[in-house]
Amino acid sequence: KAGVTQTPRYLIKTRGQQVTLSCSPISGHRSVSWYQQTPGQGLQFLFEYFSETQRNKGNFPGRFSGRQFSNSRSEMNVSTLELGDSALYLCASTWENRLAGVPYEQYFGPGTRLTVT
Amino acid sequence: TQLLEQSPQFLSIQEGENLTVYCNSSSVFSSLQWYRQEPGEGPVLLVTVVTGGEVKKLKRLTFQFGDARKDSSLHITAAQTGDTGLYLCAGAFVYGQNFVFGPGTRLSVLP
Repeated sequence: KAGVTQTPRYLIKTRGQQVTLSCSPISGHRSVSWYQQTPGQGLQFLFEYFSETQRNKGNFPGRFSGRQFSNSRSEMNVSTLELGDSALYLCASTWENRLAGVPYEQYFGPGTRLTVT
Repeated sequence: TQLLEQSPQFLSIQEGENLTVYCNSSSVFSSLQWYRQEPGEGPVLLVTVVTGGEVKKLKRLTFQFGDARKDSSLHITAAQTGDTGLYLCAGAFVYGQNFVFGPGTRLSVLP
């Protein structure tokens, strides 16, 4: 079974531009979460989508947005890029419908390395 | 404010040595996970622990969840160069909610 794929793997953008990152979850997985990883802040949760609906959201400004398609593929968009947005953006997929009492397992993709100059 | 703290931040040891890394919080977690992340890759789930006092073994790796479910440790026996990587712990306050990640312990195992 293929793992989580993310495209592109590397991206260089200029301040003020916008960027769209793509994530294809493991086949059959319906939940996709996005994380930002930086050396200073570590791994921080951006948002999670399940069945095309945003189910949870982290503490990031509105410049960060996402969506999920009917085939569970997800995209995240960052508008008006800032230097501080330079990071590794990770996508993780989960099979389980989030049931109370059941810890879930998430599988990460390799990430998209975004550099803002 | 980090909800999860990990120590040490960096660790460099020789192949064959044993080591323990720690994950601590002032909060109680319903479950806790450990991941290993190698350069240029995403984190890979190693284990999930849910019961206070629980011990799980994965080959040379031993994971323990504290009795009060506020802390966890990862012990590696006879470390190998392939164990090199960033070890992350992640805790969920409530079953079904998203995990929060610690800052990680960067382990380097030298030949």
